[in-house]
Amino acid sequence: KQEVTQIPAALSVPEGENLVLNCSFTDSAIYNLQWFRQDPGKGLTSLLLIQSSQREQTSGRLNASLDKSSGRSTLYIAASQPGDSATYLCAVRLSGQNFVFGPGTRLSVLP
Amino acid sequence: DTGVSQDPRHKITKRGQNVTFRCDPISEHNRLYWYRQTLGQGPEFLTYFQNEAQLEKSRLLSDRFSAERPKGSFSTLEIQRTEQGDSAMYLCASSFAQTYNEQFFGPGTRLTVL
Repeated sequence: KQEVTQIPAALSVPEGENLVLNCSFTDSAIYNLQWFRQDPGKGLTSLLLIQSSQREQTSGRLNASLDKSSGRSTLYIAASQPGDSATYLCAVRLSGQNFVFGPGTRLSVLP
Repeated sequence: DTGVSQDPRHKITKRGQNVTFRCDPISEHNRLYWYRQTLGQGPEFLTYFQNEAQLEKSRLLSDRFSAERPKGSFSTLEIQRTEQGDSAMYLCASSFAQTYNEQFFGPGTRLTVL
């Protein structure tokens, strides 16, 4: 059974810092991995999608990497801002259309 | 149509009542997913449709839960004889196979069962 974990569970940083969020999965047979952000009480916003054949994807200040063989992905946020405060979730797509989510990392960026 | 919409946004009901939620996906998306999310956890997959066909169902989807997508457009999720354990955020997402099934989520329906 695929399990997805995220470390740390919570993170608080001062504005302007670069930071890394980690996602690990137990079964490397994934089709893709997607990073989301979720604001309190809201739905999920897609940030980046990495195909299993790709190593990384970039969007603005965000960079996501994927090492399928070791079952790891990282989300790098450059020059963090208070508006980045949210919960960040990773999800892996298995065979078929079943997606398994991690529990999320709750990020607070302090002004 | 700029995104996935869900209705209602909030639902408070008494234990034993039936509730129905609606999801309208992004118009060109042929795949639609339902998830359940409890506080502090990531979403858990419930079921998935490709067009009008329900192709996968999680073991979480008990006999009291039923989902439909009759014309391959909007979908409904019904919970019969609600229990307090059903209290959660119910999220809908849609995707398009030609864009690697990148999922786009709606705002969710928060269900509280008293």
